[in-house]
Amino acid sequence: GAGVSQSPSNKVTEKGKDVELRCDPISGHTALYWYRQRLGQGLEFLIYFQGNSAPDKSGLPSDRFSAERTGESVSTLTIQRTQQEDSAVYLCASNSISGGFTDTQYFGPGTRLTVL
Amino acid sequence: AQRVTQPEKLLSVFKGAPVELKCNYSYSGSPELFWYVQYSRQRLQLLLRHISRESIKGFTADLNKGETSFHLKKPFAQEEDSAMYYCALSGWSSSNTGKLIFGQGTTLQVKP
Repeated sequence: GAGVSQSPSNKVTEKGKDVELRCDPISGHTALYWYRQRLGQGLEFLIYFQGNSAPDKSGLPSDRFSAERTGESVSTLTIQRTQQEDSAVYLCASNSISGGFTDTQYFGPGTRLTVL
Repeated sequence: AQRVTQPEKLLSVFKGAPVELKCNYSYSGSPELFWYVQYSRQRLQLLLRHISRESIKGFTADLNKGETSFHLKKPFAQEEDSAMYYCALSGWSSSNTGKLIFGQGTTLQVKP
């Protein structure tokens, strides 16, 4: 079946502009995660959705970052008033959490954001 | 604090040599440990997890709770093993969200 998809694959924006990044998880996956990978660093957790609610937003770096999920499917990560330090690859992953164990997270190809 | 440490940014070996990618973790509960791999121009994918206790593509990893380590090993490296490897942990508790905490990654370069 289709894997996790993300769009756009690349986004170049000017400092101060808002951007929206989209994630389409695997159909039927109730859990959705956003991560960020800045150059030379590991992946940082941003936010977790279970269904349409976000019980863990602890990784969002500032109030300029927000995310929503609708229909237990598509999620959008919005960054307002982008700064150069927001430049990174933004990765989305989805899985089904069952039985108290963490099922495999399936990752999308990422969106490379460059803020000039 | 929850943390994953991969001390080597780059590990370069010759084909046929043994490989060990180091991973140490800090976690105050019952962690699940994973190795994820990203081959060139491909997306991040799961290589193996400690719960499965299996060997994938010749790689194994044993969780050592005493040393808080989860090193990835392969006895004979192949050129196709060249990739970026990430160690990650997830906590299992009543408040578990399944989020992964990643190390900074180790680039494995297998030379012919």
